[in-house]
Amino acid sequence: NAGVTQTPKFQVLKTGQSMTLQCAQDMNHEYMSWYRQDPGMGLRLIHYSVGAGITDQGEVPNGYNVSRSTTEDFPLRLLSAAPSQTSVYFCASSMTGRRENIQYFGAGTRLSVL
Amino acid sequence: AQSVTQLGSHVSVSEGALVLLRCNYSSSVPPYLFWYVQYPNQGLQLLLKYTSAATLVKGINGFEAEFKKSETSFHLTKPSAHMSDAAEYFCAVSIRSGGGADGLTFGKGTHLIIQP
Repeated sequence: NAGVTQTPKFQVLKTGQSMTLQCAQDMNHEYMSWYRQDPGMGLRLIHYSVGAGITDQGEVPNGYNVSRSTTEDFPLRLLSAAPSQTSVYFCASSMTGRRENIQYFGAGTRLSVL
Repeated sequence: AQSVTQLGSHVSVSEGALVLLRCNYSSSVPPYLFWYVQYPNQGLQLLLKYTSAATLVKGINGFEAEFKKSETSFHLTKPSAHMSDAAEYFCAVSIRSGGGADGLTFGKGTHLIIQP
C-alpha cells in the first residue's frame, strides 16, 4: 500500500547543478502535481498533469520542468539549481483533476541549494 | 482568483481545551474546502473536506469544521485537545476555472501547540 512515493528524501546541491526529483504513485490516478513548501508560505503549486502526456504550469513554475510519460510517474527537473529553490517539495496525486477529489501527498523531498 | 487566509501562525492550547483554528477564503465560485494536517517531517494528510453536501463536516481524529458562506469561513474545531494533535494545519481551497485543473490553493498554515 505505497501510495505516493518520493525520492530522494534529502538532497544537497551546489548552485548550477541539475537534478530530478522522482515521484511515483500506484493508485492509477490521472492527476499529479508538484508543490513547494517554504516557511510561512504554505504550499504553492509548481506544475501539474491531468494525464500521461499532458502537463501545465502552476503558480510558481520558473526554474522547473516536468514530463509525464506514464500514468505512474511525474518527475520534477531542476535544470540549474539556485539557492531560491531551497525548499521542501511535495508530490501529490488524485483520481482526476476534479476539484472535489482528495489529493494524496508523498512524504516530501528536502532540497538545499548552496 | 481564490485565496485562503489562516488567522494565527501559531495557536497554543492546553490539553483538554477547545481547539479552534480559523480559515477564511475568497472565491468567485462556490468553493470546495479542505483541511490537511502535517506532522513533523511528514507529508500532508487529509482531515476533512467540504463539497457542498453539508455545512458541518466531520473528519478524522475528532475534528470538525463548519462552512459559513455569509462569513466566507471554514474554521476547524475539536472539543478536547490531545498532545498528539500537535502539528501544522493547512486550510486549502479548490476551484475550477475554464477547463483546467487548478490544484489546491493553501493558506500559510497554523502551528498548533498543545500545553500539558
